[in-house]
Amino acid sequence: EAGVTQSPTHLIKTRGQQATLRCSPISGHTSVYWYQQALGLGLQFLLWYDEGEERNRGNFPPRFSGRQFPNYSSELNVNALELEDSALYLCASSLEGLSSSGFQETQYFGPGTRLLVL
Amino acid sequence: AQTVTQSQPEMSVQEAETVTLSCTYDTSENNYYLFWYKQPPSRQMILVIRQEAYKQQNATENRFSVNFQKAAKSFSLKISDSQLGDTAMYFCAFMTRDTGNQFYFGTGTSLTVIP
Repeated sequence: EAGVTQSPTHLIKTRGQQATLRCSPISGHTSVYWYQQALGLGLQFLLWYDEGEERNRGNFPPRFSGRQFPNYSSELNVNALELEDSALYLCASSLEGLSSSGFQETQYFGPGTRLLVL
Repeated sequence: AQTVTQSQPEMSVQEAETVTLSCTYDTSENNYYLFWYKQPPSRQMILVIRQEAYKQQNATENRFSVNFQKAAKSFSLKISDSQLGDTAMYFCAFMTRDTGNQFYFGTGTSLTVIP
């Protein structure tokens, strides 16, 4: 079974530009989460999408946005890039809703996209 | 506020020895889930072990086990028979559905297994 995939692996942009990051969840997973991992810091929650809807949002400015497509893949868009947006962006997926073993809470992570803003 | 604290930024252990990574958390919720993830130098986050807060029995996965002390809000990870492949950054995390499935991560512990 394929895991969570992300593209591109690396992205270099200049300040003020826009970046688009993509994520494909594990087959059958309906929820996608985005995290920012800045150098030396832990993971900071960005966004949660489920069934095409934004369900929760972390403490990030509105220039961080995204969407989830009918096939459950997701995009993260970062507008008006700033130097401090340079980080590893991780996507995770999970199966939301009841299953035979109860709610599925575990998130499975992709390899990440390394964004560098110059 | 929901917080996770990992007080050991770096640790090392001899191959085949046992090491314990500490984690404390703070939440006002009663029903939550705790996780340990590892992130090797190749950077893909991998689930190591998980624990439901309502379960008193400590979770075990092969060489990995946890010591879950709910009253103390402590969730330590014990790695037995350490292997070179265990070298990684280890993150403690918890999640409650009341906070919109948001995971709260600690800042990580960098573990090095020495041959």
